[in-house]
Amino acid sequence: QVQLVQSGAEVKKPGASVKVSCKASGYTFTSYYMHWVRQAPGQGLEWMGIIIPSGGSTTYAQEFQGRVTMTSDTSTSTVYMELSSLRSEDTAVYYCAREASHFDYWGQGTLVTVSS
Amino acid sequence: DIQMTQSPSSLSASVGDRVTITCRASQGIRNYLAWYQQKPGKVPNLLIYAASTLQSGVPSRFSGSGSGTDFTLTISSLQPEDVATYYCQKYNSVPRTFGQGTRLEIK
Repeated sequence: QVQLVQSGAEVKKPGASVKVSCKASGYTFTSYYMHWVRQAPGQGLEWMGIIIPSGGSTTYAQEFQGRVTMTSDTSTSTVYMELSSLRSEDTAVYYCAREASHFDYWGQGTLVTVSS
Repeated sequence: DIQMTQSPSSLSASVGDRVTITCRASQGIRNYLAWYQQKPGKVPNLLIYAASTLQSGVPSRFSGSGSGTDFTLTISSLQPEDVATYYCQKYNSVPRTFGQGTRLEIK
C-alpha cells in the first residue's frame, strides 16, 4: 500500500534552516509528482511547491521563493523540503502529498517549531 | 494567480441536515477541483476530485458539483463523524491554491 513517511518533529531557532524528509513506498516513486503543504496552528492549508521526482524539476509558491529548496533522491524514494531563514511565522505542520492530479496520499505531517 | 474563496467560513447544523459548502474560483478552472476533509488533529483526506468524482471509500452522502468558477460540496444527511474542516483546491495549474476552509460543527 502507498505510504508517505515523514521525518520527526523539529525545534529551530529563528534564522536557522530545517530539512524535512518524506519517504515514499508502495508505488513507483518516479511516476508521481510530490507537493509540500504547510498548516500553521489553527490556520488553513498553504501550498508550498511541487517537485518532479524523476528529474528534480521544481516550482515554488511565490511566498517561499528564495527560502525553500525541494529535492529528491530516487535511490531511496525520498523527497526533501528545506526551508531557510526561519521565523516564528514558519511554525507549522509540514506535509508532503502525492499528486494524482489531486492529492491522493499525504504524509503524516512534521511539526516544525521556530522559537528562540 | 487564481484565488479560491469558500463560503461559509463556519457552519453549524443538526444531525440529518443537508449541508452545502460553496467554493468559487476567481477564474475558470473547468472541473479541476478537489475537496478535502480534515478532522481535528488529523491529516487531510481526499473526498472528491474532478469536481464530482467520489474518492473510493468515501460515504455516498458526500457529493460534489460545479464547473468553471462555481463549485459545491454537499452532505446529504449530516452525521456526527462529519465534524471537520473542509477545503477546496484547484489543480489545473500551479499554484495549487486551497480555499480558506469551512469549519463544520454539529448543532
